[in-house]
Amino acid sequence: AQKITQTQPGMFVQEKEAVTLDCTYDTSDPSYGLFWYKQPSSGEMIFLIYQGSYDQQNATEGRYSLNFQKARKSANLVISASQLGDSAMYFCAMKGFLQGAQKLVFGQGTRLTINP
Amino acid sequence: EAQVTQNPRYLITVTGKKLTVTCSQNMNHEYMSWYRQDPGLGLRQIYYSMNVEVTDKGDVPEGYKVSRKEKRNFPLILESPSPNQTSLYFCASSLRLAGGYNEQFFGPGTRLTVL
Repeated sequence: AQKITQTQPGMFVQEKEAVTLDCTYDTSDPSYGLFWYKQPSSGEMIFLIYQGSYDQQNATEGRYSLNFQKARKSANLVISASQLGDSAMYFCAMKGFLQGAQKLVFGQGTRLTINP
Repeated sequence: EAQVTQNPRYLITVTGKKLTVTCSQNMNHEYMSWYRQDPGLGLRQIYYSMNVEVTDKGDVPEGYKVSRKEKRNFPLILESPSPNQTSLYFCASSLRLAGGYNEQFFGPGTRLTVL
């Protein structure tokens, strides 16, 4: 079985500050991928960043980086220099490449609010 | 433009009135899936399809049906909707199912309210 846990239901951050959104996971698959999605108030799911379990380096995409600590089973999203437009719900998700290959498993989400 | 489309985007209906939410993708993807999103629970998979005529249950399939008669379409059918099926529904597709990175493309979502 696979599980994603996001322990922060909501976070409030001042504009231009960096923010870390926590994500821990559990899986029995030896090979897997971790994803982060952003869901603005309009509702669509926007893919942000991907980390493979065997990738040697932490993934980065512009202002987004993924702090992947395999031994601790954590995949935290770091947003640098936050902007008002970053206010949204953020979901961490994973996909096992063997047993869990048929679906993405999502966490509960973290609602991020950026204050001016 | 590569995309996943869903219709309708918003629907208010009454208990027991059969409805279908359509999903279509134009990327020739093999794999399609339906999720529902509920507050505090994230997204949970309802059904998925690995190819035409191949479908299987996800984590929360009760009260739903699907079909995959064509590669591009994957409709979600609620034969007798109930209020506990009030939710935000997402259709998703990806190139293939098997291991490795395959980005899932999500539709815009369908907000369903069952009275």
